[in-house]
Amino acid sequence: KNEVEQSPQNLTAQEGEFITINCSYSVGISALHWLQQHPGGGIVSLFMLSSGKKKHGRLIATINIQEKHSSLHITASHPRDSAVYICAANYGGSQGNLIFGKGTKLSVKP
Amino acid sequence: NAGVTQTPKFRILKIGQSMTLQCTQDMNHNYMYWYRQDPGMGLKLIYYSVGAGITDKGEVPNGYNVSRSTTEDFPLRLELAAPSQTSVYFCASRDLARGGDTQYFGPGTRLTVL
Repeated sequence: KNEVEQSPQNLTAQEGEFITINCSYSVGISALHWLQQHPGGGIVSLFMLSSGKKKHGRLIATINIQEKHSSLHITASHPRDSAVYICAANYGGSQGNLIFGKGTKLSVKP
Repeated sequence: NAGVTQTPKFRILKIGQSMTLQCTQDMNHNYMYWYRQDPGMGLKLIYYSVGAGITDKGEVPNGYNVSRSTTEDFPLRLELAAPSQTSVYFCASRDLARGGDTQYFGPGTRLTVL
């Protein structure tokens, strides 16, 4: 069964800390997505990865195809980074259908 | 661009009632999706469409129907509401421009079935 597992489920950090959220998946994905769900419920796509590493501002996403693992890093975390971060895998097919992890709830304290 | 819009934002239904959740996008995307999000669970795909006139079932289609008569609109129909359909529903469209692959989500509809 194609699954996506995220860890940790919940994460509390102090402002300025370096954050890492992990995602593991089964074989055969064509792409891995990271999304952010704001406290108000809105969902925004952050990254789509099929290999290597991508960076946008203080956010960095990496993927290791051999180990079937991806990480999302936040440098110099800020309270406004508080959100749920969701990993989702495209298990192939041009339809773009995604299997989602349950999310990691991040709270950054000032 | 308004992006992806959904109506209504909130709705309470009685068991057995029916309703349509509306979704519209103004980005001319061919791919559109309906998801449901239950507390503590990952988003689940209900139905998707790869273009006007073409729809297909996702992971959890039972109790729902969709249509796609235009590129812009992708309504989701609940025929006989059940408490198990209490959830937050998100519509999304997919942008494949410039070699990318990004889904844009609507703000969601919170549905309660009593």
